[in-house]
Amino acid sequence: AQRVTQPEKLLSVFKGAPVELKCNYSYSGSPELFWYVQYSRQRLQLLLRHISRESIKGFTADLNKGETSFHLKKPFAQEEDSAMYYCALGGGSNYKLTFGKGTLLTVNP
Amino acid sequence: DAGVIQSPRHEVTEMGQEVTLRCKPISGHNSLFWYRQTMMRGLELLIYFNNNVPIDDSGMPEDRFSAKMPNASFSTLKIQPSEPRDSAVYFCASSGQIGDEQFFGPGTRLTVL
Repeated sequence: AQRVTQPEKLLSVFKGAPVELKCNYSYSGSPELFWYVQYSRQRLQLLLRHISRESIKGFTADLNKGETSFHLKKPFAQEEDSAMYYCALGGGSNYKLTFGKGTLLTVNP
Repeated sequence: DAGVIQSPRHEVTEMGQEVTLRCKPISGHNSLFWYRQTMMRGLELLIYFNNNVPIDDSGMPEDRFSAKMPNASFSTLKIQPSEPRDSAVYFCASSGQIGDEQFFGPGTRLTVL
């Protein structure tokens, strides 16, 4: 069974501080990992996916298969990063993504 | 493309009434997903379709919930009868390839009084 765990429901940091949003997954196959972001009262949108290995808005995430983790990181948080972040897992012949419960990030001035 | 379109954007109804939420996926996408978002449970997958066929409806909470996809460009999620605990934001999403990025609609905020 697929499972995604985001241990922190809330995370608060100050502007300019580093931020790490944790994500752990459980999956027996070859995983596809994604981070989605939802800004206040907007639709969810893809932030990044592990296979592209891109840095979007300064965020990066590395898939660690040994630790089954896909933590999202940014060295210097900005106020506009305040949003809900969802980690999602897909893979194999499965059409669906399994989402974590999300972490609400607040970046204080 | 306007992206995934959902209607209505807001729905306020009374307990016991039937509610129908609508979704138009991105043209050419062959997978469609219905999600429910609440503060307590986060984002829950209710049902997903591939090529208009329901593949997994294990997330549908009760028989009061039903979903259809009569063609590739339209899907409905119906709640009958509605209850206050159904109050949530319902998202529709579509994707083109297996495990690919899902594109979300703006959501329907449902309030059942």
